[in-house]
Amino acid sequence: DSGVTQTPKHLITATGQRVTLRCSPRSGDLSVYWYQQSLDQGLQFLIQYYNGEERAKGNILERFSAQQFPDLHSELNLSSLELGDSALYFCASSTTGEQYFGPGTRLTVT
Amino acid sequence: GEDVEQSLFLSVREGDSSVINCTYTDSSSTYLYWYKQEPGAGLQLLTYIFSNMDMKQDQRLTVLLNKKDKHLSLRIADTQTGDSAIYFCAETPGSSNTGKLIFGQGTTLQVKP
Repeated sequence: DSGVTQTPKHLITATGQRVTLRCSPRSGDLSVYWYQQSLDQGLQFLIQYYNGEERAKGNILERFSAQQFPDLHSELNLSSLELGDSALYFCASSTTGEQYFGPGTRLTVT
Repeated sequence: GEDVEQSLFLSVREGDSSVINCTYTDSSSTYLYWYKQEPGAGLQLLTYIFSNMDMKQDQRLTVLLNKKDKHLSLRIADTQTGDSAIYFCAETPGSSNTGKLIFGQGTTLQVKP
């Protein structure tokens, strides 16, 4: 158990819909990262927050957004969903460098 | 550029040693990591090495870093069936200043009894 929690574990929704994925980092970790894992793209960095502020952006679509709240939990919002957004979404947290990953949310868009 | 390459598949017999290889392109990488992913599970951090080190040993795991050739390897001694999983190499690009990870495609390790 990494100490990072993600909810929900599975999510099935239709094209065009909007969903919110939630992540709670390990106690004391200020950085939260979001990654997408898909069969064709592999593991891709999406976005990083540090203590509530956006720190870096990767291959994140404009339809996707994230935020980190004062209690340090983070949410990833995915809107206007397309079939190609079906993937595993991981959250990771860190303090000193090494990142610890949550169990992931499997999103299926039908 | 930021790119990490791994071979896709490795098959070994139980009790043998496994060596999983990885190459990366960013010569200013600060940390290099090995993660393990079992079917239907998240990513488990196995070990990591700082770029100024050549080797790190942790029980059955040995990480070797050749910075000149930008080559990283993970050796698993006495491989067990429970080691069957996908192993990802990842780097923290030195140029990014953010800690984001760049992952390889993953190497599927199959351990035959």
